[in-house]
Amino acid sequence: GAVVSQHPSWVICKSGTSVKIECRSLDFQATTMFWYRQFPKQSLMLMATSNEGSKATYEQGVEKDKFLINHASLTLSTLTVTSAHPEDSSFYICSARTGTGTETQYFGPGTRLLVL
Amino acid sequence: AQTVTQSQPEMSVQEAETVTLSCTYDTSENNYYLFWYKQPPSRQMILVIRQEAYKQQNATENRFSVNFQKAAKSFSLKISDSQLGDTAMYFCAFIKIRTDKLIFGTGTRLQVFP
Repeated sequence: GAVVSQHPSWVICKSGTSVKIECRSLDFQATTMFWYRQFPKQSLMLMATSNEGSKATYEQGVEKDKFLINHASLTLSTLTVTSAHPEDSSFYICSARTGTGTETQYFGPGTRLLVL
Repeated sequence: AQTVTQSQPEMSVQEAETVTLSCTYDTSENNYYLFWYKQPPSRQMILVIRQEAYKQQNATENRFSVNFQKAAKSFSLKISDSQLGDTAMYFCAFIKIRTDKLIFGTGTRLQVFP
C-alpha cells in the first residue's frame, strides 16, 4: 500500500517551454502532497506543499509563478515548470501523506528534467 | 528551528556484517516523528523505518532497527546482515506532529561490499 507514481520519469525540453509533471497516489487519498527538488549528491529541498482544493504553500525563495502547482483531486497533484531554463534542470520528487496524525510521507519515483 | 545532522557522509560495510548510521537532531518540541529513508541508485525514496517520539520502545523492521535516545536527541539506524541491495543513500528526517515540513539530514552514502 501507499504507492505514489510520477509521470513522466524523464523529460527533455527546450528552453522557454513549459513542462508538466504529474504525481498520483495510487491506493490512498492524499489530502496533502509535497514537491521537492534534489540536486546531485544533495538532500531534498521542499519546494511547496499542496492541499486538495486550495492554493499551494511555497517555501521561501521558490517562485510561485515559475512552479505552478495544482492539487485538483485527492489523488493527483501537478507541477508545471513554466518557461523552463537550463537552471531548472533537476530531479523533482513528489510525496503524499496518507492523513494527519501519522505524518508519514510516501515518495514518488521522481522526474528528471533536462532543459536544453 | 529544527535541524537534523548526519555526521557520516560515507560508510562502507561488508556483506552480512552490521553497520550503524548516526543521526542527531535539535528541537525543543516534545511530540514528533523520526524517519529513516533510503534512496538507492534508482533515486526512489523508500521509507525504511519510523519512530514516534512518545514511544520509548525502539522501532524495528526486519533487519533494520533504531536506537532512539530522546534525551540525547539521537536516532541511529542499525542494519544487520547487510545485503548488496542495501547500498544507497540514507536520509534521517524529522517532523513535528501535525505539521507539514519534513526536515532532512544531508544523508549518508552506504556502500555494501561483497
